[in-house]
Amino acid sequence: KQEVTQIPAALSVPEGENLVLNCSFTDSAIYNLQWFRQDPGKGLTSLLLIQSSQREQTSGRLNASLDKSSGRSTLYIAASQPGDSATYLCAVNGWGTNAGKSTFGDGTTLTVKP
Amino acid sequence: GAGVSQSPRYKVAKRGQDVALRCDPISGHVSLFWYQQALGQGPEFLTYFQNEAQLDKSGLPSDRFFAERPEGSVSTLKIQRTQQEDSAVYLCASSAARTGVAYEQYFGPGTRLTVT
Repeated sequence: KQEVTQIPAALSVPEGENLVLNCSFTDSAIYNLQWFRQDPGKGLTSLLLIQSSQREQTSGRLNASLDKSSGRSTLYIAASQPGDSATYLCAVNGWGTNAGKSTFGDGTTLTVKP
Repeated sequence: GAGVSQSPRYKVAKRGQDVALRCDPISGHVSLFWYQQALGQGPEFLTYFQNEAQLDKSGLPSDRFFAERPEGSVSTLKIQRTQQEDSAVYLCASSAARTGVAYEQYFGPGTRLTVT
């Protein structure tokens, strides 16, 4: 059974700092990995999707990497801003009959202080 | 275009009542997913539809939970005889995925269910 772990559970940084959020998964047979942002009381907003054949994806100040063989992904946020404060979730998707089941971590809650 | 919408956004039910939660996916998306998110945790998979076919319902916690998507578009998650442990946010997501292939999922704002 796939398990996803995110470390740290919470992170507080001053504005302008670069930071890394970590996601690890136990079964490397994944189809893709998706990073989401969740604001309090809101749904999930997709940030980046990395296919299993890719090493990284970039969008603006965000860069996500994937090392499938070691079961790890990182989300790098450059020059953090108070508006980046949210919970960040990673989710992995399997193949075939598991393609519809996203397995999520419990998230990292980020606070960026002005 | 419009994103995934869910209604109601908030629902308070007395223990033992039945509730129905609605999801309107993005137009043209063939796959629809339901997740349950407890406070402080990540979403947990409940069930998955490809058009009107329910391909996986392994995450439904008990036979009190029932989901349907009769015309392959709007879906309803029904919970019978609600219990306090059913209190959570219920998230719906849709995707353009075809069978066996996982595509990017787009989530609705969720329905927060509180059972008193």
